Amino acid sequence: ETGVTQSPTHLIKTRGQQVTLRCSSQSGHNTVSWYQQALGQGPQFIFQYYREEENGRGNFPPRFSGLQFPNYSSELNVNALELDDSALYLCASSGRAIGSPGNTIYFGEGSWLTVV
Amino acid sequence: GESVGLHLPTLSVQEGDNSIINCAYSNSASDYFIWYKQESGKGPQFIIDIRSNMDKRQGQRVTVLLNKTVKHLSLQIAATQPGDSAVYFCAENSGGGADGLTFGKGTHLIIQP
Repeated sequence: ETGVTQSPTHLIKTRGQQVTLRCSSQSGHNTVSWYQQALGQGPQFIFQYYREEENGRGNFPPRFSGLQFPNYSSELNVNALELDDSALYLCASSGRAIGSPGNTIYFGEGSWLTVV
Repeated sequence: GESVGLHLPTLSVQEGDNSIINCAYSNSASDYFIWYKQESGKGPQFIIDIRSNMDKRQGQRVTVLLNKTVKHLSLQIAATQPGDSAVYFCAENSGGGADGLTFGKGTHLIIQP
């Protein structure tokens, strides 16, 4: 177990709706990042939060937004859902900047989103 | 754009043999690399990492080799077991953290009895 928990595990939404996914990071980890993983593909970086501020973003449109709370938990919000948004959404947490000595990036089990 | 990729989509090995999974990357600025294992329906599980100032790192039954000259990364798994069956991803970072990890498409490791 990585200590990173995500909810819900599965959900179905209709095109045009909005969705909120939640993540609790491992205890003591102040950096949370979100990834989208389409079936048969590797995860794609959406954005990263450090101490409640977004400090990095991948190639995703503004309808993908997020929050990080004082306890370092995080939310991913997706507005105006499209069929191609169907994917596994992964949350990862780390205690230091990526690449720092001793740092390990842990992933949760993900939230499966199906858009119909 | 620059990305991390894997050479083979599927690798089949006999139980007890050693497995070698390869990864090529194109971003010469990459300075941190991680191997993840992902079982069906689960999130990626950290296996081992290596920084660009090293060329080899060993863990329990796993070894990662980094060749910066040819931009190649490999994961060696010794004495492969049925529980090693999974998709293996290499991932890299070159932005000091804020750019996130760039993943390849993965290699599906199949263990034959």
